[in-house]
Amino acid sequence: DIQMTQSPSSLSAFVGDRVTIACRASQNIRNYLSWYQQKPGKAPKLLIYSASSLQSGVPSRFSGSGSGTDFTLTITSLQPEDFATYYCCQYSFGTPWTFGRGTKVEVK
Amino acid sequence: QAQLLESGPGLVKPSETLSLTCTVSGDSISNYYWSWIRQSPEKGLEWLANIYHSGSTDYNPSLESRVTISVDTSKNQFSLSLSSVTAADTAVYYCARLQTPGYFDYWGQGALVTVSS
Repeated sequence: DIQMTQSPSSLSAFVGDRVTIACRASQNIRNYLSWYQQKPGKAPKLLIYSASSLQSGVPSRFSGSGSGTDFTLTITSLQPEDFATYYCCQYSFGTPWTFGRGTKVEVK
Repeated sequence: QAQLLESGPGLVKPSETLSLTCTVSGDSISNYYWSWIRQSPEKGLEWLANIYHSGSTDYNPSLESRVTISVDTSKNQFSLSLSSVTAADTAVYYCARLQTPGYFDYWGQGALVTVSS
């Protein structure tokens, strides 16, 4: 299976900060990566697919980049509703879908 | 937009079979692939299986011997069975819509299943 490593596992930030979360795949997954936001007691919500495509209805302060093995999720100006846990997920053809362990974004 | 709702027992005994159903509304189940994913503190988010309305399936190899996914297009539902459960199968189980080329764009609210005698 392809392993997905997220960093950091948690971070503290102020409202208005720029936040960057990294995700590294154990092998080349081209751009077959998605990002999800999860709040306590809720299902994950799709933010980004195909590494950099913004899901409809998701604010433009969220963006994704990368290809191959290294990917990044960026929140340009953190809002109060953005405090949550973020997960990356790879979907390279022929392999099981695998998720990162998550990055918890907390208020500083 | 699609809405998904999981249903099934919240408590299953060890060695028995866990069975869950996902009811899809606002969309035809015949248009997409559909998936089951679970989440536990120990394993995090874990993809279990996919199914297409035609019955074509994909399974996580780590669970393939115990997992079955099926679809009932007449009821706009798909289902999960997981046999020989242990405490390690205790998790929140989500159903989701799988969008080409492979991301989950709609999720159910989740169903907590506890394996305990």
